[in-house]
Amino acid sequence: KAGVTQTPRYLIKTRGQQVTLSCSPISGHRSVSWYQQTPGQGLQFLFEYFSETQRNKGNFPGRFSGRQFSNSRSEMNVSTLELGDSALYLCASSLAGGLSDTQYFGPGTRLTVL
Amino acid sequence: GENVEQHPSTLSVQEGDSAVIKCTYSDSASNYFPWYKQELGKRPQLIIDIRSNVGEKKDQRIAVTLNKTAKHFSLHITETQPEDSAVYFCAASRAGANNLFFGTGTRLTVIP
Repeated sequence: KAGVTQTPRYLIKTRGQQVTLSCSPISGHRSVSWYQQTPGQGLQFLFEYFSETQRNKGNFPGRFSGRQFSNSRSEMNVSTLELGDSALYLCASSLAGGLSDTQYFGPGTRLTVL
Repeated sequence: GENVEQHPSTLSVQEGDSAVIKCTYSDSASNYFPWYKQELGKRPQLIIDIRSNVGEKKDQRIAVTLNKTAKHFSLHITETQPEDSAVYFCAASRAGANNLFFGTGTRLTVIP
């Protein structure tokens, strides 16, 4: 079974621009969670989608948003980019998305904001 | 919200020795505690997890113990090998939620 995939793997943007990242979960997995990883703040939860609905949300500003499609693929969008948004963005998929399912991570998208 | 603390931040051991990493959590409702290993430039990979209805779980050279009363859990790696060198993250989450709260990571170096 193919693992979690993310595109693009690397992205360079400038301040003020917006960006969209994509995540394809493991086949059959219906939950997709997004995390931001930085050297200073570590791994922080952004949001989780299950059956096309946002079910959980972390403490990030409204510039960070996401969505999930009927095939469980998910996208996250960051608008009005700031230098501090430079990070590795990881998505993780799990089977049913409840009761503490195991989460499997994708390789991440490394975003650099100049 | 949940707060997970992890110690130590760095750990160096000789090959063949044991390594222990400890985490504490604040939310008594948390009941799922996974451990992830992340090698440089790679994705975090689950190495072991434990749910709150058990106190210990083993998988070959890796074991995790959980003390719900004290709200702490630990990762034990025995007979360490150079390929165990990586950053290890503990995490916690609540029943019914799917958002992991991570510790700050431990960089383990196994010296051949």
